[in-house]
Amino acid sequence: SQKIEQNSEALNIQEGKTATLTCNYTNYSPAYLQWYRQDPGRGPVFLLLIRENEKEKRKERLKVTFDTTLKQSLFHITASQPADSATYLCALARDDKIIFGKGTRLHILP
Amino acid sequence: EPEVTQTPSHQVTQMGQEVILRCVPISNHLYFYWYRQILGQKVEFLVSFYNNEISEKSEIFDDQFSVERPDGSNFTLKIRSTKLEDSAMYFCASSVLAGGLGETQYFGPGTRLLVL
Repeated sequence: SQKIEQNSEALNIQEGKTATLTCNYTNYSPAYLQWYRQDPGRGPVFLLLIRENEKEKRKERLKVTFDTTLKQSLFHITASQPADSATYLCALARDDKIIFGKGTRLHILP
Repeated sequence: EPEVTQTPSHQVTQMGQEVILRCVPISNHLYFYWYRQILGQKVEFLVSFYNNEISEKSEIFDDQFSVERPDGSNFTLKIRSTKLEDSAMYFCASSVLAGGLGETQYFGPGTRLLVL
Protein backbone atom coordinates (compact mmCIF):
# COMPACT_ATOMS: atom_id res chain seq x y z
CA SER A 1 0.00 0.00 0.00
CA GLN A 2 1.05 3.62 -0.44
CA LYS A 3 3.18 4.92 2.37
CA ILE A 4 4.67 8.27 3.28
CA GLU A 5 7.26 8.54 6.03
CA GLN A 6 8.64 11.70 7.51
CA ASN A 7 12.01 11.20 9.10
CA SER A 8 11.22 11.90 12.69
CA GLU A 9 8.33 12.84 14.86
CA ALA A 10 10.24 15.74 16.39
CA LEU A 11 13.35 17.71 15.54
CA ASN A 12 15.15 20.29 17.67
CA ILE A 13 17.30 22.85 15.87
CA GLN A 14 19.26 25.79 17.24
CA GLU A 15 18.08 29.20 16.06
CA GLY A 16 20.03 30.41 13.03
CA LYS A 17 20.89 26.89 11.81
CA THR A 18 19.36 25.09 8.84
CA ALA A 19 16.58 22.65 9.59
CA THR A 20 16.30 19.71 7.19
CA LEU A 21 13.19 17.53 7.12
CA THR A 22 12.87 14.33 5.13
CA CYS A 23 9.91 12.77 3.36
CA ASN A 24 10.16 9.27 1.88
CA TYR A 25 7.42 7.47 0.01
CA THR A 26 6.77 4.01 -1.37
CA ASN A 27 4.33 2.40 -3.78
CA TYR A 28 3.39 5.75 -5.23
CA SER A 29 4.29 7.87 -8.25
CA PRO A 30 3.20 11.37 -7.35
CA ALA A 31 2.97 14.03 -9.99
CA TYR A 32 3.51 16.65 -7.32
CA LEU A 33 4.85 16.90 -3.84
CA GLN A 34 3.77 19.63 -1.48
CA TRP A 35 4.90 20.84 1.92
CA TYR A 36 2.50 22.34 4.43
CA ARG A 37 2.90 23.90 7.83
CA GLN A 38 0.44 23.09 10.61
CA ASP A 39 0.23 24.90 13.93
CA PRO A 40 -1.57 23.28 16.89
CA GLY A 41 -5.35 23.28 16.47
CA ARG A 42 -5.15 24.86 13.02
CA GLY A 43 -5.52 23.69 9.44
CA PRO A 44 -2.50 23.00 7.21
CA VAL A 45 -1.07 26.00 5.36
CA PHE A 46 0.52 25.48 1.96
CA LEU A 47 4.21 26.36 1.68
CA LEU A 48 5.77 24.92 -1.47
CA LEU A 49 5.02 22.61 -4.36
CA ILE A 50 7.49 20.74 -6.53
CA ARG A 51 6.67 18.81 -9.70
CA GLU A 52 8.03 15.38 -10.59
CA ASN A 53 10.23 16.87 -13.32
CA GLU A 54 11.76 19.48 -11.00
CA LYS A 55 14.77 18.86 -8.81
CA GLU A 56 14.64 21.89 -6.55
CA LYS A 57 12.37 24.77 -5.61
CA ARG A 58 13.05 27.79 -3.43
CA LYS A 59 10.95 30.39 -1.70
CA GLU A 60 12.63 32.88 0.58
CA ARG A 61 14.30 30.81 3.36
CA LEU A 62 12.65 27.58 2.20
CA LYS A 63 14.08 25.04 -0.21
CA VAL A 64 12.58 21.75 -1.37
CA THR A 65 14.26 19.00 -3.35
CA PHE A 66 12.54 16.06 -5.03
CA ASP A 67 14.34 12.88 -6.05
CA THR A 68 11.93 10.52 -7.82
CA THR A 69 14.61 7.83 -8.07
CA LEU A 70 15.19 7.77 -4.32
CA LYS A 71 11.50 8.53 -3.74
CA GLN A 72 12.48 11.26 -1.36
CA SER A 73 11.98 14.97 -0.74
CA LEU A 74 14.05 17.16 1.52
CA PHE A 75 12.67 20.37 3.02
CA HIS A 76 15.14 22.95 4.28
CA ILE A 77 14.59 26.06 6.36
CA THR A 78 17.69 28.23 6.44
CA ALA A 79 18.45 30.78 9.16
CA SER A 80 15.77 29.18 11.28
CA GLN A 81 13.79 31.28 13.76
CA PRO A 82 11.66 30.35 16.80
CA ALA A 83 8.60 31.39 14.74
CA ASP A 84 9.37 28.50 12.38
CA SER A 85 8.44 26.07 15.16
CA ALA A 86 5.47 24.04 13.90
CA THR A 87 4.60 20.67 12.41
CA TYR A 88 5.60 20.32 8.77
CA LEU A 89 3.61 17.98 6.56
CA CYS A 90 4.70 16.36 3.33
CA ALA A 91 1.87 15.64 0.91
CA LEU A 92 1.78 13.73 -2.38
CA ALA A 93 -0.69 14.46 -5.14
CA ARG A 94 -1.84 12.48 -8.11
CA ASP A 95 -5.26 12.49 -9.83
CA ASP A 96 -7.59 14.22 -7.47
CA LYS A 97 -6.20 12.91 -4.25
CA ILE A 98 -3.67 14.22 -1.78
CA ILE A 99 -2.05 11.97 0.78
CA PHE A 100 -0.35 13.49 3.81
CA GLY A 101 2.52 12.22 5.89
CA LYS A 102 2.24 12.25 9.65
CA GLY A 103 4.43 15.33 9.92
CA THR A 104 7.58 16.35 11.74
CA ARG A 105 7.32 18.64 14.77
CA LEU A 106 10.09 21.17 14.45
CA HIS A 107 11.29 23.10 17.49
CA ILE A 108 13.65 26.00 16.92
CA LEU A 109 15.51 26.65 20.14
CA PRO A 110 16.44 30.26 20.94
CA GLU B 1 -7.34 37.79 1.88
CA PRO B 2 -10.14 35.29 1.14
CA GLU B 3 -10.25 32.26 3.39
CA VAL B 4 -12.17 29.07 3.94
CA THR B 5 -14.51 29.24 6.92
CA GLN B 6 -16.03 26.36 8.88
CA THR B 7 -18.84 26.11 11.41
CA PRO B 8 -19.16 25.13 14.13
CA SER B 9 -15.66 25.29 15.55
CA HIS B 10 -16.57 22.58 18.07
CA GLN B 11 -19.36 20.02 18.11
CA VAL B 12 -20.21 17.50 20.79
CA THR B 13 -22.70 14.79 19.93
CA GLN B 14 -24.01 11.50 21.22
CA MET B 15 -23.09 8.28 19.46
CA GLY B 16 -25.67 7.43 16.82
CA GLN B 17 -26.68 11.03 16.19
CA GLU B 18 -26.39 12.76 12.84
CA VAL B 19 -24.06 15.73 12.47
CA ILE B 20 -23.62 18.23 9.68
CA LEU B 21 -20.38 20.12 9.38
CA ARG B 22 -20.45 23.26 7.30
CA CYS B 23 -17.87 24.97 5.17
CA VAL B 24 -17.80 28.07 3.01
CA PRO B 25 -15.04 27.62 0.43
CA ILE B 26 -13.24 30.52 -1.25
CA SER B 27 -15.69 32.02 -3.72
CA ASN B 28 -13.95 31.45 -7.07
CA HIS B 29 -12.74 27.94 -6.19
CA LEU B 30 -14.18 24.97 -8.02
CA TYR B 31 -12.82 21.97 -6.09
CA PHE B 32 -13.79 21.16 -2.54
CA TYR B 33 -12.43 18.63 -0.09
CA TRP B 34 -12.96 17.17 3.33
CA TYR B 35 -10.15 15.79 5.45
CA ARG B 36 -10.06 14.54 9.01
CA GLN B 37 -7.32 14.40 11.60
CA ILE B 38 -7.68 12.18 14.62
CA LEU B 39 -5.80 13.64 17.57
CA GLY B 40 -2.07 13.02 17.21
CA GLN B 41 -2.43 11.38 13.82
CA LYS B 42 -2.01 12.44 10.23
CA VAL B 43 -4.39 14.42 8.07
CA GLU B 44 -6.48 11.92 6.10
CA PHE B 45 -8.25 12.54 2.81
CA LEU B 46 -11.98 11.82 2.88
CA VAL B 47 -13.51 13.13 -0.32
CA SER B 48 -13.15 15.56 -3.19
CA PHE B 49 -16.06 17.26 -4.92
CA TYR B 50 -16.29 19.01 -8.25
CA ASN B 51 -19.15 20.10 -10.46
CA ASN B 52 -21.72 18.93 -7.92
CA GLU B 53 -20.46 15.43 -7.65
CA ILE B 54 -17.89 13.40 -5.79
CA SER B 55 -14.72 13.08 -7.87
CA GLU B 56 -12.78 10.86 -5.48
CA LYS B 57 -13.26 9.34 -2.05
CA SER B 58 -11.20 7.31 0.36
CA GLU B 59 -12.05 4.04 2.04
CA ILE B 60 -12.89 6.02 5.18
CA PHE B 61 -15.74 7.73 3.35
CA ASP B 62 -18.32 4.97 3.68
CA ASP B 63 -22.11 5.05 3.47
CA GLN B 64 -22.32 6.92 6.76
CA PHE B 65 -20.80 9.99 5.11
CA SER B 66 -22.25 12.27 2.49
CA VAL B 67 -21.38 15.65 1.05
CA GLU B 68 -23.52 18.31 -0.50
CA ARG B 69 -23.29 21.75 -1.97
CA PRO B 70 -26.80 22.94 -1.13
CA ASP B 71 -26.33 26.43 -2.57
CA GLY B 72 -23.67 28.53 -4.26
CA SER B 73 -21.59 29.05 -1.18
CA ASN B 74 -21.88 26.21 1.36
CA PHE B 75 -20.29 22.78 1.27
CA THR B 76 -21.40 20.30 3.92
CA LEU B 77 -20.27 16.99 5.33
CA LYS B 78 -22.94 14.85 6.95
CA ILE B 79 -22.25 11.89 9.19
CA ARG B 80 -25.49 9.93 9.47
CA SER B 81 -24.94 7.92 12.62
CA THR B 82 -21.83 8.96 14.47
CA LYS B 83 -19.47 6.48 16.09
CA LEU B 84 -16.92 7.06 18.82
CA GLU B 85 -14.12 6.71 16.28
CA ASP B 86 -15.51 9.63 14.26
CA SER B 87 -14.14 11.97 16.93
CA ALA B 88 -11.56 14.07 15.11
CA MET B 89 -10.82 17.46 13.66
CA TYR B 90 -12.52 17.83 10.28
CA PHE B 91 -10.96 20.18 7.77
CA CYS B 92 -12.58 21.57 4.67
CA ALA B 93 -10.34 22.75 1.83
CA SER B 94 -10.86 24.31 -1.57
CA SER B 95 -8.78 24.96 -4.66
CA VAL B 96 -9.18 26.63 -8.03
CA LEU B 97 -8.12 23.53 -9.94
CA ALA B 98 -7.89 19.88 -8.98
CA GLY B 99 -5.56 19.03 -6.12
CA GLY B 100 -4.08 16.29 -8.22
CA LEU B 101 -2.85 18.91 -10.65
CA GLY B 102 -0.70 20.26 -7.87
CA GLU B 103 -3.00 23.14 -7.20
CA THR B 104 -2.69 24.75 -3.78
CA GLN B 105 -5.42 23.72 -1.40
CA TYR B 106 -6.60 26.26 1.13
CA PHE B 107 -7.69 24.77 4.41
CA GLY B 108 -10.29 26.02 6.85
CA PRO B 109 -9.68 26.23 10.59
CA GLY B 110 -11.45 22.94 11.23
CA THR B 111 -14.37 21.63 13.26
CA ARG B 112 -13.48 19.59 16.29
CA LEU B 113 -16.04 16.79 16.60
CA LEU B 114 -16.37 14.85 19.81
CA VAL B 115 -18.64 11.81 19.87
CA LEU B 116 -19.65 10.60 23.33
